[in-house]
Amino acid sequence: AQSVAQPEDQVNVAEGNPLTVKCTYSVSGNPYLFWYVQYPNRGLQFLLKYITGDNLVKGSYGFEAEFNKSQTSFHLKKPSALVSDSALYFCAVRDSASKIIFGSGTRLSIRP
Amino acid sequence: EAGVTQFPSHSVIEKGQTVTLRCDPISGHDNLYWYRRVMGKEIKFLLHFVKESKQDESGMPNNRFLAERTGGTYSTLKVQPAELEDSGVYFCASSPGWSGYTFGSGTRLTVV
Repeated sequence: AQSVAQPEDQVNVAEGNPLTVKCTYSVSGNPYLFWYVQYPNRGLQFLLKYITGDNLVKGSYGFEAEFNKSQTSFHLKKPSALVSDSALYFCAVRDSASKIIFGSGTRLSIRP
Repeated sequence: EAGVTQFPSHSVIEKGQTVTLRCDPISGHDNLYWYRRVMGKEIKFLLHFVKESKQDESGMPNNRFLAERTGGTYSTLKVQPAELEDSGVYFCASSPGWSGYTFGSGTRLTVV
């Protein structure tokens, strides 16, 4: 069965520093991977996806994610964090029945 | 293009009462999904409609939950009778295909 794991409940980064939010996946077949973000009191917003093609995927708000097949990872990255990036981030994978399976979420906190 | 609309945004009910959540998908999206996040845990799939038909309801927790999608347009999710453990955020999403969903802002349900 498809699954994703987010090993960190919380990530703390100083503003201006690079950030990484980790995600590993387990799928049979080709992975379709996603990152979503939930800002306080808001719904889930799509950030980016990997279906096929370049391993480095660029998304909204300056975020990018690197697909690594050998390590079965899809880590979310940003070169320079902003305080406004503070939110809850979810990694997700599409399963064979076309529904999305989410990870447990990582709370990203950017300190000024 | 209007997004996915969910209401109410918040609902507080007593244990044993009934609550109905509504989701209006993006016009023309045949696929409609319900998810929920309970007690700060991962976001879990509840069910998937294709038009008015239930494609997959494997995530529905028990028979206190009833989902409908009238005429393949909006969908309702009724919880009757509500229990304390039903508290959480209920998300709806729609998509024209499988390449990605658009989520609503969610309904925060609190059962007291």
